[in-house]
Amino acid sequence: SQQGEEDPQALSIQEGENATMNCSYKTSINNLQWYRQNSGRGLVHLILIRSNEREKHSGRLRVTLDTSKKSSSLLITASRAADTASYFCATVDTGRRALTFGSGTRLQVQP
Amino acid sequence: EAGVTQFPSHSVIEKGQTVTLRCDPISGHDNLYWYRRVMGKEIKFLLHFVKESKQDESGMPNNRFLAERTGGTYSTLKVQPAELEDSGVYFCASSQEVGTTQYFGPGTRLTVL
Repeated sequence: SQQGEEDPQALSIQEGENATMNCSYKTSINNLQWYRQNSGRGLVHLILIRSNEREKHSGRLRVTLDTSKKSSSLLITASRAADTASYFCATVDTGRRALTFGSGTRLQVQP
Repeated sequence: EAGVTQFPSHSVIEKGQTVTLRCDPISGHDNLYWYRRVMGKEIKFLLHFVKESKQDESGMPNNRFLAERTGGTYSTLKVQPAELEDSGVYFCASSQEVGTTQYFGPGTRLTVL
């Protein structure tokens, strides 16, 4: 699999439910970031978690990072129809500056 | 504070023509990045500027792509001559410091016919 592989590729849930997306990566990282992209629009930064952090919260978002398993998860609680978008994880590898993106998870929240 | 802006939002050109994309980073951000997403693929890094200097251009696909950032403010990405496989969305991002959050622009959708 490629760096920043996401799982699932697509997810459909009802409003009010929680959505969990997972991301795996292969290299040593400085940090991992999650982005959202609404259809046809730009990338919106959601949250950054550093390699020495295990969990981070921002509003309805909860991100975990397990560097031993090289994986991260994004949990969106009490989802809303407006959360419908594609979600990408992206890593900043050790010694690099650029982001390496995963393939993304398409989330559909049904009203 | 204005975000990252990109121009144009869409561009449709014929194969063999030249196109220049522009990115204006957030004011005060020394770091500027170009990425692109071609159809069905992941978003891929192209290059990174710190002020006017190219720090990493390892993602540039070939010498048909030329990026500049004269004066360390806005940046341009020129594709000359454009090929069909260049079609995709080109994103620009900026950050205040290396390793911090990168803020993305809305992207330029390039279609090469």
